[in-house]
Parts: sequence; structure tokens; C-alpha cells
Amino acid sequence: ETGVTQTPRHLVMGMTNKKSLKCEQHLGHNAMYWYKQSAKKPLELMFVYNFKEQTENNSVPSRFSPECPNSSHLFLHLHTLQPEDSALYLCASSQDGGYGYTFGSGTRLTVV
Amino acid sequence: GQQVMQIPQYQHVQEGEDFTTYCNSSTTLSNIQWYKQRPGGHPVFLIQLVKSGEVKKQKRLTFQFGEAKKNSSLHITATQTTDVGTYFCARAGANNLFFGTGTRLTVIP
Repeated sequence: ETGVTQTPRHLVMGMTNKKSLKCEQHLGHNAMYWYKQSAKKPLELMFVYNFKEQTENNSVPSRFSPECPNSSHLFLHLHTLQPEDSALYLCASSQDGGYGYTFGSGTRLTVV
Repeated sequence: GQQVMQIPQYQHVQEGEDFTTYCNSSTTLSNIQWYKQRPGGHPVFLIQLVKSGEVKKQKRLTFQFGEAKKNSSLHITATQTTDVGTYFCARAGANNLFFGTGTRLTVIP
């Protein structure tokens, strides 16, 4: 356990489905992040939340919708995804956006 | 741009050989962080370098930050099969990290 828990670990969804990814951190950090990791691409930052406020949306399509109800929980709501959205989605947390991010184990998403 | 470039993209070494990955930026970096991701795993924080010319060691791993704070390197001495994975450098932005392209290390027993 890293202190950042992501569920589910694996998800297969159709293009018309709606699903949500969940992330919970037990480290007392005040910042949380969603990253996307595709084959042959660097880790791509999607969203940043500091103290529950979204501070960055890295030009992510609206079919991805984040939600941060408190500083310990982060969700990524998915709807009408495309096959190219298949990837590993990683949640991370940090204190003040600084020293050492702690990543969760990720959700391996396959869109069919 | 905001991304840092890493070379090489892939490296295959015989167990016991040394390995080095390099991270380069066109702009001065406030700090550089290094992460390791095992196959099928998630990135794990290794270290942060802040000072110009800084050198830090963790057992067989040596991390360096360039004098101009535009490049960094990770050197592994006498690689072991447990060293396999992808090594990423990352530069800190205002509220986030921008990751390098990574170097995938394969160690041949």
C-alpha cells in the first residue's frame, strides 16, 4: 500500500457507458492529481486539485470530469469515451505540490 | 516547452554492467525529481535534487544535478535484475510535475 488507493484496478467499458474512477489518500496531503499514461507516451497531467480547488485542467476533453469533494478523495467521471482513451490512469498526492508525489497503483482502463 | 527530454529511450544491459540515464531541459530547473516504475507498477519517488551541482547517492544509485541546473543524470552501478523498470525524471511546475519521456531499463541475467 502506498497511502494512495485507487479503485477499480481494472475497468472495461463500452463507449456509451458512464463509469467513475476513485482515488483516496491517507497521507494528509493537500494536493491531488490525475495523470494518464499511454503506451509510448510520457505521463500526461490531466487535473490538479489544491485544497479541493481545481487549479489546473490540462486541456482535457469534457468526457473526463473530475470531482474532489474533500482533500482526501478524488474522482474521475467518465462518459462516452473513445478507444484511444484506453490507458493507465494514475492518481497522485503531494504536500503543497512539492517534494515527492505518491502515486496510487492506477486503474487500467480499456474502452471497447 | 514544459517537458524534459530523457535519453536513451531504451537500454539493455548485462547484469553487473553500469547504466546511466540523462535528463535535459532547455530552461533552468528549480529542482528535478526521479521516479522508478516497475513493469506493471506505478511510479515511485526516488529522490529530489535542488542545488546546482548536487550529487546524492542511494546505495548503487547516484543522482547528479548539473551546474547550470538544466540537466540531471541517474547512474546505477553493477545493475541487478531488480533494477528493471522505467526511470523518469520530472520537473516541478507551479502546482504540478512534468515528467520526462522515461528510460526503460532491461537487465539480462
